[in-house]
Amino acid sequence: EAGVTQFPSHSVIEKGQTVTLRCDPISGHDNLYWYRRVMGKEIKFLLHFVKESKQDESGMPNNRFLAERTGGTYSTLKVQPAELEDSGVYFCASSPGQGRQETQYFGPGTRLLVL
Amino acid sequence: AQSVTQLGSHVSVSEGALVLLRCNYSSSVPPYLFWYVQYPNQGLQLLLKYTSAATLVKGINGFEAEFKKSETSFHLTKPSAHMSDAAEYFCAVTRGASKIIFGSGTRLSIRP
Repeated sequence: EAGVTQFPSHSVIEKGQTVTLRCDPISGHDNLYWYRRVMGKEIKFLLHFVKESKQDESGMPNNRFLAERTGGTYSTLKVQPAELEDSGVYFCASSPGQGRQETQYFGPGTRLLVL
Repeated sequence: AQSVTQLGSHVSVSEGALVLLRCNYSSSVPPYLFWYVQYPNQGLQLLLKYTSAATLVKGINGFEAEFKKSETSFHLTKPSAHMSDAAEYFCAVTRGASKIIFGSGTRLSIRP
């Protein structure tokens, strides 16, 4: 069974440009999450999809970030326009169900550097 | 609100020595606690999780953690360190329906 995959693995862009990150969850997992780790700080929750609906987007930092999950399969996270402080590692995770005891399976992350 | 604190951003042990990574939690409800590991250039991998079934939880690669309510702790241990254990380790707790709250991470180095 394939795990969570993320594309690209690395991205280097200039301030003001747009970047789109993609996440493919484990097949059959209705729940998809985005997290990020900025410059050696804690890994922080961004948002949670259940199928195509946003269940919790309380961690999205501002309106420069747009997450979508059309069709309830893969998800994209767009940053437009990117700022220097957006640099970090963006992780995606998925789980079959939701709940505090549920295991979330993480992808390898996308390393974003904004210059 | 639920949170975790990891004591020590960097721990170094000799190969074959005991590994002890410390984590304390804060929770107003019975917590669900996790340890994740990130090996170099890889994603986060679940080591083990506590869901109230047993206080001593065994995970992968010889790691285990003990839930101690009286000390609000969930320390991670391994009796004998191996070079391949070098990685960053994260203690975590869930908040709300599914949000994971991570600690700041502890980088484990193994000396030959």
